[in-house]
Amino acid sequence: ELKVEQNPLFLSMQEGKNYTIYCNYSTTSDRLYWYRQDPGKSLESLFVLLSNGAVKQEGRLMASLDTKARLSTLHITAAVHDLSATYFCAVYFGPRPNGGSQGNLIFGKGTKLSVKP
Amino acid sequence: DADVTQTPRNRITKTGKRIMLECSQTKGHDRMYWYRQDPGLGLRLIYYSFDVKDINKGEISDGYSVSRQAQAKFSLSLESAIPNQTALYFCATSDRGSGANVLTFGAGSRLTVL
Repeated sequence: ELKVEQNPLFLSMQEGKNYTIYCNYSTTSDRLYWYRQDPGKSLESLFVLLSNGAVKQEGRLMASLDTKARLSTLHITAAVHDLSATYFCAVYFGPRPNGGSQGNLIFGKGTKLSVKP
Repeated sequence: DADVTQTPRNRITKTGKRIMLECSQTKGHDRMYWYRQDPGLGLRLIYYSFDVKDINKGEISDGYSVSRQAQAKFSLSLESAIPNQTALYFCATSDRGSGANVLTFGAGSRLTVL
């Protein structure tokens, strides 16, 4: 069964603190995405991780991928209120999209982050 | 104008009614998707289309149908709406040629079935 599990599902943290969101998945994949959703809004892409050991950073967010452990992390450094949102990881299982054959992108349930002053 | 436009943005309907949600895009992407979001469940794929002649079922296609009228248009229909189809629906697009296949989402259509 294709499963993507995020934890924690809810995270309340203070400004200035660091924390990590974890995304585990059930079977082989070398393609993982992180998206952000603000309340009442759509999803926007944050990171695409395409290989083992990939690391991407944007501002206070850093994402990494360990395909052997089937694990991605989203690390938050010195959180600020503007980072409050729900963060989703999504994992691609199956044939590569460019091959034209079908695969499946499975989303985690999301981590709702609240950063408090 | 948004790259991916969904209409209507909000709809309240009654059980048994037929509903169509429409999606159009100006990104020139070949791939289009319909997802459903329920609180605490993340996003689940309903249908997807890799080009105009290609339609595929996702995880939860029962009770839904789709039509890819053109490369830029992909509509989702509920033939006979039921209350457990109350949810937030997202259309998304991606570009086969990009390699990374990052999804671009529309603003969402909130459907309430009474």
